[in-house]
Amino acid sequence: EDQVTQSPEALRLQEGESSSLNCSYTVSGLRGLFWYRQDPGKGPEFLFTLYSAGEEKEKERLKATLTKKESFLHITAPKPEDSATYLCAVQAYSSASKIIFGSGTRLSIRP
Amino acid sequence: KAGVTQTPRYLIKTRGQQVTLSCSPISGHRSVSWYQQTPGQGLQFLFEYFSETQRNKGNFPGRFSGRQFSNSRSEMNVSTLELGDSALYLCASSLAQQTSGYTFGSGTRLTVV
Repeated sequence: EDQVTQSPEALRLQEGESSSLNCSYTVSGLRGLFWYRQDPGKGPEFLFTLYSAGEEKEKERLKATLTKKESFLHITAPKPEDSATYLCAVQAYSSASKIIFGSGTRLSIRP
Repeated sequence: KAGVTQTPRYLIKTRGQQVTLSCSPISGHRSVSWYQQTPGQGLQFLFEYFSETQRNKGNFPGRFSGRQFSNSRSEMNVSTLELGDSALYLCASSLAQQTSGYTFGSGTRLTVV
């Protein structure tokens, strides 16, 4: 069964303190791995798609990486506005229209 | 470019009633997916429609149904509401079964009392 596990569940950082969020996945034929950001009361906002092991993508202070079993979202020198829940999701070739989401990591950045 | 529009934003219903939620995808997007988000279960896939056809369905009871119209707008219906149906219902649209990411609406917050 396709599965996504995110850790930690919550993370509190000081402004400027870099860290990483983890996403472990089990999927029968990975078509794509997504990272989303979700603010309270809003829908998820697309950040990245990764397709194959070794791939990396960057956007401002965020960098996503992918291996055959997990993905990391690295946050460099975060600011308070980076506070949000970060969601990881996978799409399998066997069921391409169904995206499986992890439970998310709630990130809080203190000024 | 308008995003994904969901209506209504908030809804309060009584147990046993039924409800219909609406989703207008981004212009040109033909795939519409629905998700239920709760604090305990996270985001769970309900179903996906493409060109008016349901292509995939999640593990939800038959009380949850949906449809898509020729203009790609979609509706989902929940009959015989239960307290546990209280959740944020999210709609996402894309051009097709693509891996470039789905665009989500802001959701409809349903409260069943």
